[in-house]
Amino acid sequence: QVQLVESGGGVVQPGRSLRLSCAASGFTFSTYGMHWVRQAPGKGLEWVALIWNDGSNKYYADSVKGRFTISRDNSKNTLYLQMNSLRAEDTAVYYCARSRLWGGSAQPDYWGQGTLVTVSS
Amino acid sequence: QSVLTQPPSASGTPGQRVTISCSGSSSNIGSNTVNWYQQLPGTAPKLLIYSNNQRPSGVPDRFSGSKSGTSASLAISGLQSEDEADYYCAAWDDSLNNYVFGTGTKVTVL
Repeated sequence: QVQLVESGGGVVQPGRSLRLSCAASGFTFSTYGMHWVRQAPGKGLEWVALIWNDGSNKYYADSVKGRFTISRDNSKNTLYLQMNSLRAEDTAVYYCARSRLWGGSAQPDYWGQGTLVTVSS
Repeated sequence: QSVLTQPPSASGTPGQRVTISCSGSSSNIGSNTVNWYQQLPGTAPKLLIYSNNQRPSGVPDRFSGSKSGTSASLAISGLQSEDEADYYCAAWDDSLNNYVFGTGTKVTVL
């Protein structure tokens, strides 16, 4: 069965960096795009980034563009999110999600359980 | 700032039918398929409907989706207590080159 396990969250000071990981199993990781989605405490879902299966294309929300980098290592079945210049408004639970192509667009199907990132001094 | 608009709340008694609307634009719902996600309290979102009206394996047929123009809707028939959750619509936006979520609707079973 599809499993996605995020790790790397924690408490970090504003302006610092953090790298999240998402370990995938139960499917052929190298054939699927992957998303990061976040949810601030008590708020709705906010899409963060998408990477194609081979890493050739990446897309970002304006709120994180230039600060966050999505990447993957298909040999390790692992997705990453490098977060730099963190701000208080980046505080959220971060989910990784597998991407499916429906109607020509990349959309999340299976989700991990999430990892909490708290940006605070 | 969500580009897809949903009502903040909806409610019904057990057995009733509840409908949630999702309003977008020509660059998102008008151009691409819509998914719906269910988020039970304290858990990760789960795919409920994909490609406007398709149910993944294991999702009860009480849940149905539809799309018309730049709007979509989710219907829950035969409402049950375990349906209490937050529901989000979502679609790819061709102008933003982003995946966009709705504002979310909290469903309460009275």
